[in-house]
Amino acid sequence: QLLESGGGLVQPGESLRLSCAASGFTFSHHWMYWVRQAPGKGLVWVARLNNDGSSTTYADFARGRFTISRDNSKNTLYLQMNSVRAEDSAVYFCARDMAHGLDVWGQGTTVTVSS
Amino acid sequence: QSALTQPPSASGSPGQSVTISCTGGGADVASYDFVSWYQQRPGEAPKLIIYEVIKRPSGVPARFSGSKSGGTASLTVSGLQAEDEADYYCASFVAGDYWVFGGGTTLTVL
Repeated sequence: QLLESGGGLVQPGESLRLSCAASGFTFSHHWMYWVRQAPGKGLVWVARLNNDGSSTTYADFARGRFTISRDNSKNTLYLQMNSVRAEDSAVYFCARDMAHGLDVWGQGTTVTVSS
Repeated sequence: QSALTQPPSASGSPGQSVTISCTGGGADVASYDFVSWYQQRPGEAPKLIIYEVIKRPSGVPARFSGSKSGGTASLTVSGLQAEDEADYYCASFVAGDYWVFGGGTTLTVL
């Protein structure tokens, strides 16, 4: 099971940290992803992180502003979002990778960027 | 990192088969057998239904099948049921260690 938290209303230019608490599986064995979905829109890949936290990749819009990280001792995945923009408003899902398919998803946390 | 191309909508009557396509460029679908498909019902998180082009996770009905030809992957839903009405998204690994989703297809069961 994955449970996201940390979403909310934030002003443009501010920062926010999302968390994703994992349970029921060996968290440290899996690559993890963040995926977002703007209201009424499709799924968009944000970032991914390997199982020990040493390798990250980002979508173009996230690179340089967002940081994906994990604490395997706490079974938790993070997404640090800096310099947020209105277009970052979305539901953010964390998901577990299984053989290049995301087989476990959280219910999502909503981020709204507005002044 | 351009989105994969899916038709915005598809439809079929109960019992029929429907196929949804997912077309990419040369650096994604055509180059890797790492295509996955997701079903998303309104207000819910996505659910994995196909991974590595053709594989089904346990618990996913055999009515769902995947395939690929060149740069186009396809999801076929056979024996359509009312509960299959949902949005469907494809995704692929992309050269350079990226990922990309398709724009999504809304499947309507008539």
